[in-house]
Amino acid sequence: QKEVEQDPGPLSVPEGAIVSLNCTYSNSAFQYFMWYRQYSRKGPELLMYTYSSGNKEDGRFTAQVDKSSKYISLFIRDSQPSDSATYLCAIVNAGNNRKLIWGLGTSLAVNP
Amino acid sequence: DAGITQSPRHKVTETGTPVTLRCHQTENHRYMYWYRQDPGHGLRLIHYSYGVKDTDKGEVSDGYSVSRSKTEDFLLTLESATSSQTSVYFCAISDPHLNIQYFGAGTRLSVL
Repeated sequence: QKEVEQDPGPLSVPEGAIVSLNCTYSNSAFQYFMWYRQYSRKGPELLMYTYSSGNKEDGRFTAQVDKSSKYISLFIRDSQPSDSATYLCAIVNAGNNRKLIWGLGTSLAVNP
Repeated sequence: DAGITQSPRHKVTETGTPVTLRCHQTENHRYMYWYRQDPGHGLRLIHYSYGVKDTDKGEVSDGYSVSRSKTEDFLLTLESATSSQTSVYFCAISDPHLNIQYFGAGTRLSVL
């Protein structure tokens, strides 16, 4: 079993839809949670970062962490064609020299 | 791209030839990383550096070597390139406390 599991998709939604992207993880020592966005032929860019259970909002984006279920989510409201990208979750194992564990990424297409 | 420059951006080479990729940062971060990204495998860590002349192996280090003689430069060398090393290579830097990583634009390498 991988330490971080992420459905690669692809996910295709109409413009304006609410998008839900998810990762599960196996190690309770994981403490910091990040979402990156990667456009085609570009490097990943940090979208959101959180370390506590609950929700964190930034504009149309909400990151949600449920440590009891070892489940993290990224919600995108009012999705736009410009949101079409691959979204990667990344989790820091604070107990292992802050090693970063990556999900495989979910490919998202928002159709006008 | 967070003050990170990768060169070259594209390279085509032949099997058996040596190849060096360069990563240059202007952020003065201590930690630097080399990843490769392949379909179905996501981001995989090749090598990382935690200071000048201080480097360590990642999960896919075979066939690769690195050097860091200055804080701002991290070099990745393929001593004798193979077709299995055809990939997109990303350099990243991070802060030492939270390991939030920031990426360069990538180098697309083809080994024929």
